[in-house]
Amino acid sequence: IAGITQAPTSQILAAGRRMTLRCTQDMRHNAMYWYRQDLGLGLRLIHYSNTAGTTGKGEVPDGYSVSRANTDDFPLTLASAVPSQTSVYFCASRPSGANVLTFGAGSRLTVL
Amino acid sequence: DQQVKQNSPSLSVQEGRISILNCDYTNSMFDYFLWYKKYPAEGPTFLISISSIKDKNEDGRFTVFLNKSAKHLSLHIVPSQPGDSAVYFCAASLSNSGYALNFGKGTSLLVTP
Repeated sequence: IAGITQAPTSQILAAGRRMTLRCTQDMRHNAMYWYRQDLGLGLRLIHYSNTAGTTGKGEVPDGYSVSRANTDDFPLTLASAVPSQTSVYFCASRPSGANVLTFGAGSRLTVL
Repeated sequence: DQQVKQNSPSLSVQEGRISILNCDYTNSMFDYFLWYKKYPAEGPTFLISISSIKDKNEDGRFTVFLNKSAKHLSLHIVPSQPGDSAVYFCAASLSNSGYALNFGKGTSLLVTP
C-alpha cells in the first residue's frame, strides 16, 4: 500500500541519547515534513524539505536535524535527547504543486 | 505567535445534528486552507480544503466556509455521526512559502448517539 512509513512506532529513550526517527514514502512526493504534536499545542513544524538535497527550518527546529539524501527518505535526528522532546512525531509528504499533505501514523517518543 | 487559532478545545453534538467547528487566522497572505481529522494513535487525514478565491466548498456531509474579511473559516458537518468523533485540525498555507501547513491546536468533537 502506497504511503508513508514511520519507525519506530514507539520508543522510550534516556536523556542525552541520540535517536533517529525514520520516515520513508513510496509516492515519489518531492516535499517532506516533520511535525510534532503536543497536547494543547497542535501540530508544529520542525523541519521540511522541498526536494531531495534541500532542507529548511520550521517553527521549532532546535535540538533536531534532518537530511534528504534521496526522494524517499527523510530521517529526523535528535543529537542529545531532552525530556521536552517527549512528543508524537509525524512525518508528511506532498507532491509538487499540490497543497494537501499526507501524514504517516506517527512515532511516539518518550525521553526520561 | 500562533497564526491559526481554534479557540474551542472541544465540542459535543448529538447524532443527526449539525457540528460547526471554527477557525481564525491572522496572516492575510494565507491562500489555502485545509481541515484534517485525527483519530487516536493515527496520523491526521485530509478532510476538505478551500482556496482563498472561494468562499464555500462542499463534499458530501462536509462544507467549509471562508470569510476572508473576518479571517475566519468554519467546517460544517451535517448530519453528524458518531464516527465523526475525532480531533479536527484547521490548517493554512502560503503557496510561495513551500506550502508548509500552519496548524491550529485542534478541536475535539464528540458526537453522541
